[in-house]
Amino acid sequence: NAGVTQTPKFRVLKTGQSMTLLCAQDMNHEYMYWYRQDPGMGLRLIHYSVGEGTTAKGEVPDGYNVSRLKKQNFLLGLESAAPSQTSVYFCASSYGLAGTVDTQYFGPGTRLTVL
Amino acid sequence: ILNVEQSPQSLHVQEGDSTNFTCSFPSSNFYALHWYRWETAKSPEALFVMTLNGDEKKKGRISATLNTKEGYSYLYIKGSQPEDSATYLCATTSGTYKYIFGTGTRLKVLA
Repeated sequence: NAGVTQTPKFRVLKTGQSMTLLCAQDMNHEYMYWYRQDPGMGLRLIHYSVGEGTTAKGEVPDGYNVSRLKKQNFLLGLESAAPSQTSVYFCASSYGLAGTVDTQYFGPGTRLTVL
Repeated sequence: ILNVEQSPQSLHVQEGDSTNFTCSFPSSNFYALHWYRWETAKSPEALFVMTLNGDEKKKGRISATLNTKEGYSYLYIKGSQPEDSATYLCATTSGTYKYIFGTGTRLKVLA
C-alpha cells in the first residue's frame, strides 16, 4: 500500500497563476482533508470531504477550491495564487470522521511558493 | 484555554535522558486526543489516541496520559535516543469533522 500520496512535492508559482494539487489514497477511506502548515501555527484545515462527490469548507477555505470525483482522489485548486498561499500543504485521510477515534493518515506534503 | 497549546515549543536533551511535554486543550466538548510524531521532511504519524479521563497509552519507550477534567495530556519519552528527534503534535476532536492541532513540541536528542 502506498498510503496517502501527493503530487507535486514542490512547486513555485507566480502571483495570479493557477494550479491543482492531487492527493490520492489507497486505503478506501471515506474522509479526506486538506491542511496548510505555516511557521508558528498548527495545521489548519482548508477543505474536507466526507465521501465521493462531497466537499465542505474548513477554517481557512478562501482562495481554494476542491473536488472529490473519485473516492480515492481529493484535488485542491488555487485559481489565482497569492503570496499569502505560500505554505506546505498536507493531505490526510481517515476511515471515520475526525470526531471518532479514527486516526488521520497524512501524505508527505507539497511545498508551494508563490512569488 | 481556547486553543490547543503545547509546551515547551522546543527542547534539547542528551541521549539517555527522559523527557516529557504537555498538550493543553479546552476541556469542554472534548471527544478524543491524538498524538502524532512528525519527523523532518516526512508526514505526521499517529502515536496514540485517547478518549477517557485517566487513559494511559504506551508504545515502547513512549507513553502518554490524559486528564480530560483539567484539559491536558502528557507525553513521556524514557531514555531518549537520537531517532526520537522529531516534532510531537497533539490534536483534539470534539465529535465533528474538525481536528484542532497544537503547534507541536520540537525535540532534539543529542548523541
